[in-house]
Amino acid sequence: KQEVTQIPAALSVPEGENLVLNCSFTDSAIYNLQWFRQDPGKGLTSLLLIQSSQREQTSGRLNASLDKSSGRSTLYIAASQPGDSATYLCAANNAGNMLTFGGGTRLMVKP
Amino acid sequence: NAGVTQTPKFQVLKTGQSMTLQCAQDMNHEYMSWYRQDPGMGLRLIHYSVGAGITDQGEVPNGYNVSRSTTEDFPLRLLSAAPSQTSVYFCASSAVSSGNTEAFFGQGTRLTVV
Repeated sequence: KQEVTQIPAALSVPEGENLVLNCSFTDSAIYNLQWFRQDPGKGLTSLLLIQSSQREQTSGRLNASLDKSSGRSTLYIAASQPGDSATYLCAANNAGNMLTFGGGTRLMVKP
Repeated sequence: NAGVTQTPKFQVLKTGQSMTLQCAQDMNHEYMSWYRQDPGMGLRLIHYSVGAGITDQGEVPNGYNVSRSTTEDFPLRLLSAAPSQTSVYFCASSAVSSGNTEAFFGQGTRLTVV
């Protein structure tokens, strides 16, 4: 059974810092890995999807990497802003589009 | 684009009552699924469907029923609500045949069972 872990569970940084969120998974036979953002009381917004054949994906200030052999993905946020404050979730897709989620990293960016 | 639409946004039920959470998507996605999100437990898969007329159980299916009569709609039924079903419920959809399986989520239904 796939297990997904996100470290740290919470992170507080000053505005402008570059930061890295970590996601690890136990079963490397994934189709893809997806990063989401969740604001309090809201739904999940897709940020980046990395296919199993890819090493990284970029969207604006966000860059996600994938290392299947070590069971790890990282989400890099450049020049963080207070508007980046949210919970970030990663999810591994092993089969049939069923996602296994990590517990999330709650990010606070202070002005 | 509306994407994935869930109704209602909030609901309070009494123990033993039944209700249906609605989910509709306008992206012609084959795959639809329901998750529940609980503090400390993360998001867990309840039921899923790979197309009209096909449904299957996820990790936590007990107490829930689903059907898929159309591509667009995937309602989740609570047969006899229990306090343990107090949670936030999310519906998701994604394509299967196109190869791009990016999942899109609705805004959630916050359910309280008293």
